[in-house]
Amino acid sequence: GQNIDQPTEMTATEGAIVQINCTYQTSGFNGLFWYQQHAGEAPTFLSYNVLDGLEEKGRFSSFLSRSKGYSYLLLKELQMKDSASYLCAATGGSYIPTFGRGTSLIVHP
Amino acid sequence: KAGVTQTPRYLIKTRGQQVTLSCSPISGHRSVSWYQQTPGQGLQFLFEYFSETQRNKGNFPGRFSGRQFSNSRSEMNVSTLELGDSALYLCARRDSPGELFFGEGSRLTVL
Repeated sequence: GQNIDQPTEMTATEGAIVQINCTYQTSGFNGLFWYQQHAGEAPTFLSYNVLDGLEEKGRFSSFLSRSKGYSYLLLKELQMKDSASYLCAATGGSYIPTFGRGTSLIVHP
Repeated sequence: KAGVTQTPRYLIKTRGQQVTLSCSPISGHRSVSWYQQTPGQGLQFLFEYFSETQRNKGNFPGRFSGRQFSNSRSEMNVSTLELGDSALYLCARRDSPGELFFGEGSRLTVL
């Protein structure tokens, strides 16, 4: 089976940095994904980690530790438009992503 | 853009009815996955089709079924609707392992 855990909600201030954590347990782990979903919209792909370490993409970075079953998404220079739900997903042997329930990020001015 | 078109976008049904949702990936993409999203359970995998064959199936009752046609368009059907089937149903194409491109979804309300 697979299990994904992430916080339900986080709040942060515009311009700040926020880290969203995700822990996972999955058989035959292949990779860890992060998706962003704005209210009323479909999820959109943010990042993909297969190997341990940090992957940076503009203001967003994602980290993976396979030995610890742990990942985080780091958002820098927060903007109001970053208010959204962030979904952590892990793939196993079938390459079908199993999603966490999402972390609702609220960015305040 | 995701390159996935879902219809209808919104629909309302009553308990006991059945519903059919449609999904069309852009030309050339043979893989289609379906997900159900609810506030309580999050995104849950329903099934995946590739070249008209169901390749994987999630843990949903037999009331949930699907199929894919030769032009890659896919349909999913839910029979004997229950209140708990109210959800956003998302279809996605998969370009690489795990990377999904979602359509806008079909929001089903069961009364």
